Amino acid sequence: DSGVTQTPKHLITATGQRVTLRCSPRSGDLSVYWYQQSLDQGLQFLIQYYNGEERAKGNILERFSAQQFPDLHSELNLSSLELGDSALYFCASSAPGESYEQYFGPGTRLTVT
Amino acid sequence: EDKVVQSPLSLVVHEGDTVTLNCSYEVTNFRSLLWYKQEKKAPTFLFMLTSSGIEKKSGRLSSILDKKELFSILNITATQTGDSAVYLCAVSPLWANAGKSTFGDGTTLTVKP
Repeated sequence: DSGVTQTPKHLITATGQRVTLRCSPRSGDLSVYWYQQSLDQGLQFLIQYYNGEERAKGNILERFSAQQFPDLHSELNLSSLELGDSALYFCASSAPGESYEQYFGPGTRLTVT
Repeated sequence: EDKVVQSPLSLVVHEGDTVTLNCSYEVTNFRSLLWYKQEKKAPTFLFMLTSSGIEKKSGRLSSILDKKELFSILNITATQTGDSAVYLCAVSPLWANAGKSTFGDGTTLTVKP
């Protein structure tokens, strides 16, 4: 158990819908990262927040957005869902400072039908 | 664009064998290279390497980085069935974009009894 929690574990929804994935980092970690892992694309970095502010952005679609709240939990919002958005979404966190070891949550499996 | 290539894509060995997994990379402003193990769940951190030529070791696993030739290897000696997993290599750029890790597609290791 990494100490990073994600909810829900599974989500099944229809195309065109909007969902919110939630992540709580390890105690004391200030950075939260979101990744998408699909069978054909491997693990893709989406976005990083550090202490409430966006720090780095990867190949995140405009239909996706994220935020980190004052209590450091983070939410990833996915809207206008398409079949291709079906994937495992991981959240990871890391400690303050220059250690880039990331601790991954168990993931949310999103299925878009 | 940053790039990480892992080889081989998959490997099947028998218990007791020694394996070497490869990771080559191209990244602007390299900061660190990380190895993760992913079983049927979230990736778990194994090693972080920042300096060339210094071996990191943990039990039967070890890893080394060559910053001149832009590659790293992960060695596993006396393999066990519990080592069966996907091994992921990732590179992280300097602090300004440190969160923007790029992952390779992974090496799937299967250890047969």
